[in-house]
Amino acid sequence: LAKTTQPISMDSYEGQEVNITCSHNNIATNDYITWYQQFPSQGPRFIIQGYKTKVTNEVASLFIPADRKSSTLSLPRVSLSDTAVYYCLVEAAGGTSYGKLTFGQGTILTVHP
Amino acid sequence: GAVVSQHPSRVICKSGTSVKIECRSLDFQATTMFWYRQFPKQSLMLMATSNEGSKATYEQGVEKDKFLINHASLTLSTLTVTSAHPEDSSFYICSAFRTGDTEAFFGQGTRLTVV
Repeated sequence: LAKTTQPISMDSYEGQEVNITCSHNNIATNDYITWYQQFPSQGPRFIIQGYKTKVTNEVASLFIPADRKSSTLSLPRVSLSDTAVYYCLVEAAGGTSYGKLTFGQGTILTVHP
Repeated sequence: GAVVSQHPSRVICKSGTSVKIECRSLDFQATTMFWYRQFPKQSLMLMATSNEGSKATYEQGVEKDKFLINHASLTLSTLTVTSAHPEDSSFYICSAFRTGDTEAFFGQGTRLTVV
């Protein structure tokens, strides 16, 4: 059973807000939700992480409803350089599986001029 | 943020030869590092967990005799692809966690092409 489900691809235009939703119906109590960004031929880069409600940093916001069965990554005013693959991960903060990340298929975001 | 560096960034080798990839944590110590493999247009797949001072643990289906992992210091893990074949051509990525952090820091990846 996949840990997370995301749309395979999304298209947007420069200056628009992009929201990518991820489903994680089987999230456990001690799981965090983390989003990574990956450009072609590069390793993933951390974007944002949260446990519940809303988290905001300088590049994105993460919205998590009370039941935590989904989450939405919000990218404000995207630019061409935001074209990348975005991965939503659900991982335990500790335990024997700590650090072993399970990547789903990710969402290919394409930003058009 | 923390920096994880891989070397080389790309390598081409002949079939049957071995290739070593290095993963270094530049500004923190990492007792555990992780190795992933990514085929074109696919997601990252965890290959193994590299443990400083002890044997690596491999995911199911990953040949430990083919993918040799050595984690001899708190800042360096190496992955050696032995007797490489064209099907081993892939993008290899390492990651590490800094103590107290819950997000992973990834290397820039190594593109291996076996001809």
